[in-house]
This record gives sequence, C-alpha cells and structure tokens, in this order.
Amino acid sequence: KAGVTQTPRYLIKTRGQQVTLSCSPISGHRSVSWYQQTPGQGLQFLFEYFSETQRNKGNFPGRFSGRQFSNSRSEMNVSTLELGDSALYLCASSQDRPSTDTQYFGPGTRLTVL
Amino acid sequence: EDQVTQSPEALRLQEGESSSLNCSYTVSGLRGLFWYRQDPGKGPEFLFTLYSAGEEKEKERLKATLTKKESFLHITAPKPEDSATYLCAVRAGSNDYKLSFGAGTTVTVRA
Repeated sequence: KAGVTQTPRYLIKTRGQQVTLSCSPISGHRSVSWYQQTPGQGLQFLFEYFSETQRNKGNFPGRFSGRQFSNSRSEMNVSTLELGDSALYLCASSQDRPSTDTQYFGPGTRLTVL
Repeated sequence: EDQVTQSPEALRLQEGESSSLNCSYTVSGLRGLFWYRQDPGKGPEFLFTLYSAGEEKEKERLKATLTKKESFLHITAPKPEDSATYLCAVRAGSNDYKLSFGAGTTVTVRA
C-alpha cells in the first residue's frame, strides 16, 4: 500500500508571498493532520481534517489554513509568509479518528522563506 | 498542557553497545504513547504504540516499555543503520485528536 505523499518536497519563497502544500493520504484513510517541525519548537500540531471538515486546530495564526477534498486529499496554505515560517511541514493520515488510530507521516515539504 | 521530555538529547554508541532512551510525560488521561523514528530530511516513521503501564512491544533490535510516568526505548546491539532521531509522542485527555511530541533523541551508532 502506498504511503502518504506530499508535494512539492522543497519550496523557496520570499517574505510576503503565499504558498500551497499538498498531501495525499494512504488509500482508505479519511483523516489528515498537518504538523510544523522546526529545530526550536519541534513538531507542533496545525490542524486536522476529516470528511472535508476541519475538526481541530492548533495555536497558529490565521495565515495558516487548509482544506480537504472529497477524495481525502488535503492542502494547506500559508499567506503573507514570514521568515519564521521556514520549516518542514508534515502531513499525517489516519484511518478514521486520530484519537484512536495510528497516524502515518509523509516525507514532508521543506519550506524556506527568504 | 501535555508535557513530553526526552533524554538524552543525543547518544553516541559503538556498534553492539546496547542502551536506552527515556521519554517522561505529564498528561491527564493517557490515550496512547507512540515512538517514531525520523531520518534526516524525512518524515517520522511509526515504530510502536503503547497504551497501558506494563505493556511492552518489540521490533528487531528495538523494545519499548511503558510505566505510569515514562517510557523507555531499548536498543539492543545497535547497528549503524539504527542511527536516527527517535521521537516520543503522547495522545491524551481532551487533546486526543493530536500528538504532542518530545524534542527527540538523536542516536549515532559508529561501526
């Protein structure tokens, strides 16, 4: 079974721009969660989607948003990029509820903001 | 707020030299403790889930154990390919929709 895929793998943007990252979950998985990983803060939860609805959100500003499509694929968007947004953005999928099911991570998208 | 603390931050081992990593946690209502392995530039790879004190899981040279306050990841006779960052995460209480991660332990195994 194919794992979680994320595109693109690398991105370089400048301050003020916006960016969209994409995630395709494991086949049959309906929940997608997004995490940000930085050397200083480690892995932090951004938000979780299930059946095209955002169920939970972490403590990030409104510049961070996402959506999920009917085929469970998900995108996250960051508007008005800041230098501090440079990070590895990870997508994780689980079969149904992340409160009961194991989350499997994709390879991540490395975002660099200049 | 859930707290997860991993120690040591870094561990350098000789091939064959067994050791243990520690993950201590302070949470309200543990719903699961997870171990992941992360290689540089890659996403975390799932290793184990532990649910209750006394539980143990094994996979090749790795063995995870759980008590009421901490978990240990034992690496027996490590090989260079075991070099990675090992992450501990908890799912707990009303925040059970997300994983709360520790900072990780970076293990380097020299041949």
